[in-house]
Amino acid sequence: SYELTQPLSVSVALGQTARITCGGNNIGSKNVHWYQQKPGQAPVLVIYRDSNRPSGIPERFSGSNSGNTATLTISRAQAGDEADYYCQVWDNSAVVFGGGTKLTVL
Amino acid sequence: QITVKESGPTLVKPTQTLTLTCTLSGFSIRTSGVGVGWIRQPPGKALEWLAIIYWDDDKRYSPSLKSRLTITKDTSKNQVVLTLTNMDPMDTATYYCAHRLKSPRGDSFDYWGQGTLVTVSS
Repeated sequence: SYELTQPLSVSVALGQTARITCGGNNIGSKNVHWYQQKPGQAPVLVIYRDSNRPSGIPERFSGSNSGNTATLTISRAQAGDEADYYCQVWDNSAVVFGGGTKLTVL
Repeated sequence: QITVKESGPTLVKPTQTLTLTCTLSGFSIRTSGVGVGWIRQPPGKALEWLAIIYWDDDKRYSPSLKSRLTITKDTSKNQVVLTLTNMDPMDTATYYCAHRLKSPRGDSFDYWGQGTLVTVSS
């Protein structure tokens, strides 16, 4: 079965740029989606189709996808960005989620 | 506006069957292109996809849970129902339903319910 690999944790200084990766075999051929989940809350879609932002998501959130790695980039990180982030793809008619990355804003 | 809301038991016993209902608002499960999925999350763990159903009654299931899962829709009530048989303590999780956003190379979920915590214990 298809696997998505994310780092367990990423730290970023306040106001700096955070990058969260999502690795998968030829993931560049798939649409990658990213979710933000804060404690006790449902996930929120922050990036869809690799690099598109839903309405209401700040421009500070961006995404890219090529080869075997997709990346969620959060510019000018804020304390409110501290959360778990999950990548998601479809493979062989099934949804696959990454294991999640905990973003800490220092 | 689109909303989805989960409902069902908060506590089930081992070996019992779990039945969860997702009530849709702001859209119809009968509309062409619509899909609704179920995702769960054990306490402190990652998201796990379970199943999805489409307006045309097409269905997809998680390969690892396929034998225990059934997803159906009630168009008269605009609801989607998930059943999971032979419940085990390992199935303790928050269960979410979500509206699907169509993409050419794999859909995402753009509207999520608040989730419902189901505990499996005797």
